[in-house]
Amino acid sequence: GENVEQHPSTLSVQEGDSAVIKCTYSDSASNYFPWYKQELGKRPQLIIDIRSNVGEKKDQRIAVTLNKTAKHFSLHITETQPEDSAVYFCAASRTNAGKSTFGDGTTLTVKP
Amino acid sequence: NAGVTQTPKFRVLKTGQSMTLLCAQDMNHEYMYWYRQDPGMGLRLIHYSVGEGTTAKGEVPDGYNVSRLKKQNFLLGLESAAPSQTSVYFCASSYGAGTFGEQFFGPGTRLTVL
Repeated sequence: GENVEQHPSTLSVQEGDSAVIKCTYSDSASNYFPWYKQELGKRPQLIIDIRSNVGEKKDQRIAVTLNKTAKHFSLHITETQPEDSAVYFCAASRTNAGKSTFGDGTTLTVKP
Repeated sequence: NAGVTQTPKFRVLKTGQSMTLLCAQDMNHEYMYWYRQDPGMGLRLIHYSVGEGTTAKGEVPDGYNVSRLKKQNFLLGLESAAPSQTSVYFCASSYGAGTFGEQFFGPGTRLTVL
């Protein structure tokens, strides 16, 4: 089955700096890669996703890149703000698989 | 639309007691999931369903049972609760076959087993 590894497990940055979280996956048939943000005590919510036919996608201060050859994808957050502090999960799935495989999460702390 | 809702929000059980967690969604989603999240840990899939009347095991199914009698509801049962089942339980749903799998999560149920 699919295996997703996520690094780092914790990340601390100064406000205004950039943050990068990386995930690798094992199933070359995976074609959908979402990122979820979970604030303390809240539910995970989708913040950005990318499909296998696209190499990069941006939405304001966040972006995701995908390297299908190397089987890894990354989340980039620029100009970090304290409200970006949360746990971020990556996931991988293939259409019609019925389920996704999640990484173990990265706790991002943005220090004012 | 209420999205994904979970009942109850909190529950305390004694070892050996049973309970059922209810998940409901009003988005006409085909797929539904139950996860558990332990403190400082990721999301571990317990069971999932790809349609009404179907269920399948996830990574950590032992000690849990599920049923999907109606498309909008997904029930998670604990027949004989154990302290190791103390966790936060999240239900999620997504569109079905032929679509990409963004999952919509419920608010979670915090379960403590004494």
